[in-house]
Amino acid sequence: QKEVEQNSGPLSVPEGAIASLNCTYSDRGSQSFFWYRQYSGKSPELIMFIYSNGDKEDGRFTAQLNKASQYVSLLIRDSQPSDSATYLCAVIPGGGADGLTFGKGTHLIIQP
Amino acid sequence: GAVVSQHPSWVICKSGTSVKIECRSLDFQATTMFWYRQFPKQSLMLMATSNEGSKATYEQGVEKDKFLINHASLTLSTLTVTSAHPEDSSFYICSARWRTYEQYFGPGTRLTVT
Repeated sequence: QKEVEQNSGPLSVPEGAIASLNCTYSDRGSQSFFWYRQYSGKSPELIMFIYSNGDKEDGRFTAQLNKASQYVSLLIRDSQPSDSATYLCAVIPGGGADGLTFGKGTHLIIQP
Repeated sequence: GAVVSQHPSWVICKSGTSVKIECRSLDFQATTMFWYRQFPKQSLMLMATSNEGSKATYEQGVEKDKFLINHASLTLSTLTVTSAHPEDSSFYICSARWRTYEQYFGPGTRLTVT
């Protein structure tokens, strides 16, 4: 079973601080990694994708990938109350298919 | 770019009837679309992969005769839930693949079967 694990939270972070979200995956053949944000009752919104080891920055967001440790993370700098949502880690497992395997998500709360 | 729409946004139907959900890529052509389902308090689960002009590929445990998928054009995929039952009530979300592997999601369809 190819799994993606996340801490369900809630993770509470003060406004303006850095929020750190973590994800591990079981399929060592996975090549593509994504972070989605999902507000309650809405569909997921793509925030970041990363394919290579290392860091990738986009505005206030930084995705980090370590394939050797099978670990991917998302940092949110200068957290805002509007960042409060569930963050879903998603992986395309190895094997050729392109469908996403999602983690259960981390509920992030930014405290004003 | 990469805008995906879904219709309807919500639907209520009686047990035993069929419901069709449309997924459209509005500003790009999508040779591959995906259908996911999300139950309350749970994450998204992939149901099937829809490729334009060919049969859909269903995930293990998803009944292909119950969830009919048609990807008739490069901008439209449809999911028909046949003989719906209350346990089929869920949030159905489609996505379309853009560029390499990125998937952009539609707004979802909330199905309630009474």
